[in-house]
Amino acid sequence: QVQLQESGPGLVQPSQTLSLTCTVSGGSINSGGYFWSWIRQPAGRGLEWIGRIYPSGITNYNPSLKSRVTISIDTSKNQFSLKLTSVNAADTAVYYCARDGGFSYLDSWGQGSLVSVSS
Amino acid sequence: SYVLTQPPSVSVAPGQTARITCEGDNIETKAVHWYQQKPGQAPVLVVYDDSDRPSGIPERFSGSNSGNTATLTISRVEAGDEADYYCQVWDSSTDHVVFGGGTNLTV
Repeated sequence: QVQLQESGPGLVQPSQTLSLTCTVSGGSINSGGYFWSWIRQPAGRGLEWIGRIYPSGITNYNPSLKSRVTISIDTSKNQFSLKLTSVNAADTAVYYCARDGGFSYLDSWGQGSLVSVSS
Repeated sequence: SYVLTQPPSVSVAPGQTARITCEGDNIETKAVHWYQQKPGQAPVLVVYDDSDRPSGIPERFSGSNSGNTATLTISRVEAGDEADYYCQVWDSSTDHVVFGGGTNLTV
């Protein structure tokens, strides 16, 4: 049973870069034909997909965030990462990593990591 | 960009059937997935590819997709089904995932 765990700073200053890592356990990130995704959820609001990456490095991003987002993968560490630049208060949210079954459904999720943007 | 519209809330009595809709332009041509999210928890996939259930999801959860509306049906609703439910598709025109706004189910 694959498990995902987000890690990274819980507080980021405005205009700085938000960085999170998702560690995958219970299976190789490099097998099974899966994509690996990031999703966020501001408090009291709905889900927003950020983007995804395939082990080969192929990426897809939400058009509304594309200019600020980079998702990368380190298959040797079984991890993938999110960088979001020039953050502001609107980027405050719980950030989830998840496995994309290959047909865009997200069948395994991390527990989520709260990131606040504040000075 | 593709838009999915869900009712903000649905209320149902225990033991009855809950139907949560997800509207989108010609949505029947897309595979629709549904998630359940309880307070303070990560979402859980309950239906994928319109009507398939992941292992461990009760048969009470079912899905359908026709025309401009996809529907998540929960039969014999229990108090434990109270949660937010989100529909989701892949927008092939822009290659990204789209979520509906979510529906709060009250039992």
